[in-house]
Amino acid sequence: NAGVTQTPKFRILKIGQSMTLQCAQDMNHNYMYWYRQDPGMGLKLIYYSVGAGITDKGEVPNGYNVSRSTTEDFPLRLELAAPSQTSVYFCASRGDRGADYGYTFGSGTRLTVV
Amino acid sequence: QKEVEQNSGPLSVPEGAIASLNCTYSDRGSQSFFWYRQYSGKSPELIMFIYSNGDKEDGRFTAQLNKASQYVSLLIRDSQPSDSATYLCAVNVGGTYKYIFGTGTRLKVLA
Repeated sequence: NAGVTQTPKFRILKIGQSMTLQCAQDMNHNYMYWYRQDPGMGLKLIYYSVGAGITDKGEVPNGYNVSRSTTEDFPLRLELAAPSQTSVYFCASRGDRGADYGYTFGSGTRLTVV
Repeated sequence: QKEVEQNSGPLSVPEGAIASLNCTYSDRGSQSFFWYRQYSGKSPELIMFIYSNGDKEDGRFTAQLNKASQYVSLLIRDSQPSDSATYLCAVNVGGTYKYIFGTGTRLKVLA
C-alpha cells in the first residue's frame, strides 16, 4: 500500500522556470490538498480538491495552478518560479469517514529557487 | 483571516512526565480538530482527531476540546524521548473542506 506518492523529492529551479510537482494516491480518497511549509513554520494551504474536476484555492494560491483529472492524481504547477517559492511542498489526501478522516501525507518535495 | 495559534516552544519536559500542548482557533464554525506529529525533516503524521467537546483518549494521548473557549489541547502521558518532535494543530474552516494549521509546538523530552 503506497499511500501518497510525491515526485520529485528534491529540485532546484532557476528564477522564471516552471515545473510540475506530482502527487498520486492509491487509497481512493476524494479529498486532496497541497501545502507548503517554510522553515520553522506551519503548513500553508495552497490548493485543494474535493473530487475529480473540482479544485479550489487555499490560503496562498498565487503563483500556482492545479488540476484534478482523476481521483488518483493531483499535480501542482509552478509557473515563473520565484525565490519566495523556495519551500517544502506536501501533498495530502483524506477519506470522508472514520480513521480515514485525517490526512495521509506524502514524503514531501524540497524545492529551491535560485 | 481564520487563525490557529500555538506556542512555538520549545516545551521541555522530563521523561515520564505529562506534556501539555495547547492550540487556540478563531473560527467559531470549526467542527474538526486534529493533532499531527512531525519529526525533523519528515512529513506530519496523524496522532488524533476530535469533534466533540470533552476528552478523547488513545493510549498515552488525550485530546481535549472546548468549543466555547475555542481551544484544543493534547496531553501526552509518560512522555518518552521518542516523543520529541513538533506537534501541529489543524482545524477545519467552518463550512468548507479546508484545513488550516498552527505553526506547531516543538516538544523536547529530556532523558
